[in-house]
Amino acid sequence: DGGITQSPKYLFRKEGQNVTLSCEQNLNHDAMYWYRQDPGQGLRLIYYSQIVNDFQKGDIAEGYSVSREKKESFPLTVTSAQKNPTAFYLCASSIEVGRIYEQYFGPGTRLTVT
Amino acid sequence: AQSVTQPDIHITVSEGASLELRCNYSYGATPYLFWYVQSPGQGLQLLLKYFSGDTLVQGIKGFEAEFKRSQSSFNLRKPSVHWSDAAEYFCAVGLNSGNTPLVFGKGTRLSVIA
Repeated sequence: DGGITQSPKYLFRKEGQNVTLSCEQNLNHDAMYWYRQDPGQGLRLIYYSQIVNDFQKGDIAEGYSVSREKKESFPLTVTSAQKNPTAFYLCASSIEVGRIYEQYFGPGTRLTVT
Repeated sequence: AQSVTQPDIHITVSEGASLELRCNYSYGATPYLFWYVQSPGQGLQLLLKYFSGDTLVQGIKGFEAEFKRSQSSFNLRKPSVHWSDAAEYFCAVGLNSGNTPLVFGKGTRLSVIA
């Protein structure tokens, strides 16, 4: 069964702790993305990776870090430097279909920091 | 830089009525255009996409969208809404060069009443 998995679905942390969100895909997609979603804000790009061992900052990368050691995996670490980490986090991957790169999304992780 | 505007934050329609969700984009060349749907607490699902050719594109769940270059618009339509269509809808634009991240609008929340 191919797809994108994000775990866990819900995550709770105390302020000041780093936390890592998992994203795995078995679709053989080259590119992967992390978005943050807040009510009324739409999706904001945190980081993306087009190939293994390479990644680029998105619009709101401050306070986050990523790695891309394997094609299948793109974990996101929310550090204690992120001032407002409570949000819904979405992972996506993309593949070329015809001449269009289509993005597919995982189910998301809701992070609550208190 | 490209951008996407969804002018309507929230729309309420009666079940069985027609639906049109507006999307305007800003991009110098012909863009890739997408519509996604998100149920509460879930990831995003691709409804339909446009790159070139016929300006009226059909998607899943009975949705269609029309690309109008002169108006920089890509409005989503459905002739008869079902209660299960209640969700948040996102329009997105992609560059026509390479595997780069999509830019999303802030979304339109659709409520369906009996």
